[in-house]
Amino acid sequence: NAGVMQNPRHLVRRRGQEARLRCSPMKGHSHVYWYRQLPEEGLKFMVYLQKENIIDESGMPKERFSAEFPKEGPSILRIQQVVRGDSAAYFCASSRTGSLAKNIQYFGAGTRLSVL
Amino acid sequence: DQQVKQNSPSLSVQEGRISILNCDYTNSMFDYFLWYKKYPAEGPTFLISISSIKDKNEDGRFTVFLNKSAKHLSLHIVPSQPGDSAVYFCAALIAAGNKLTFGGGTRVLVKP
Repeated sequence: NAGVMQNPRHLVRRRGQEARLRCSPMKGHSHVYWYRQLPEEGLKFMVYLQKENIIDESGMPKERFSAEFPKEGPSILRIQQVVRGDSAAYFCASSRTGSLAKNIQYFGAGTRLSVL
Repeated sequence: DQQVKQNSPSLSVQEGRISILNCDYTNSMFDYFLWYKKYPAEGPTFLISISSIKDKNEDGRFTVFLNKSAKHLSLHIVPSQPGDSAVYFCAALIAAGNKLTFGGGTRVLVKP
């Protein structure tokens, strides 16, 4: 009975490299969300996806960041040409539905990205 | 523009006593509120939620109170236990969207 699985747990990249963060939602969940937490701050929404669709990407930086949730496989958050300011904890959450009353989002343990 | 604020960054309480965590919001469109608990190096864990049509929701040792006119909610933990030591985040949701807006968190330390 696995929860939300994220990998890798820790990722170290040099400036200019690409970072790929993976998220497998809980079984039976078809809604995935990505959040970013900078040191000593709360979590900030980045993007909301359903299978093969981006529903809301209002929190995504306009450049270098992209997300997908393909029909098969995990959701991927991709950061191209990473900079030091991208260093943060990235959390994925999933929910069973998008309806308000049932929309409890369950979080993974996060990926901690460090950019050298 | 911080729509959800937790003005107390930290709280220290004796084991067995009540912990009261506060959260204020500015967006009157929010209609669902949640509290999450977070241990270091782990993801947030859902604790309790409340709909904007209610003013109280209780689950075991946890009770959330909502004052819509004041745009304020609070989480009461009673009795507090050492295992409750963690960072607590208040979050809010608009029915038309699905993104959680989080406060900055309150670090709770329960002393034995």
